[in-house]
Amino acid sequence: AQSVTQPDIHITVSEGASLELRCNYSYGATPYLFWYVQSPGQGLQLLLKYFSGDTLVQGIKGFEAEFKRSQSSFNLRKPSVHWSDAAEYFCAVGLSGGGADGLTFGKGTHLIIQP
Amino acid sequence: GAGVSQSPSNKVTEKGKDVELRCDPISGHTALYWYRQSLGQGLEFLIYFQGNSAPDKSGLPSDRFSAERTGGSVSTLTIQRTQQEDSAVYLCASSPSGAGGATTQYFGPGTRLLVL
Repeated sequence: AQSVTQPDIHITVSEGASLELRCNYSYGATPYLFWYVQSPGQGLQLLLKYFSGDTLVQGIKGFEAEFKRSQSSFNLRKPSVHWSDAAEYFCAVGLSGGGADGLTFGKGTHLIIQP
Repeated sequence: GAGVSQSPSNKVTEKGKDVELRCDPISGHTALYWYRQSLGQGLEFLIYFQGNSAPDKSGLPSDRFSAERTGGSVSTLTIQRTQQEDSAVYLCASSPSGAGGATTQYFGPGTRLLVL
């Protein structure tokens, strides 16, 4: 069965500093990969996704992520964080073989922004 | 346009009572998903509808959980004889199609369920 690991439960970053959130997946084929963000009391908002093609994908709010097949990783990056980026970030995998179509999520990384 | 809506936004119930959670997907989206988000388990996939049918119900936590979708639109998740471990946020998502994992799911704000 597929799985997603987000090794960092909490990350604290100073405002204006760069950010990288790690995501590793386990799946037998090339998965479909997603990053979602959740603000307190809110649902999940899609930041970006990778289905195929260019392994560096751009998303909303200045985020980008790079798919590295050799490392089974899909890390999320942002060059300069803003206080409004404080939230919970979830990496997710969608299956490429059809069937039950729910996403498998990591446990999430809680991002704290220091002034 | 309107996004996915869920009602109620919050629900407090007593152990043993039945609850119904409602999801209105984005208009035109044929696929609908239910997830549960809890502190201990993170985000768990529960069930998926393509149109009105759910091909696989094995993700439902127990036989106290059931879900239906009518008219290819609104879905209801019902929990019978609620237990305290059912306390969680129940999230609904919809997508234009259920074409394997290559489809973007759009999430609603969730229903926060507290079982006393």
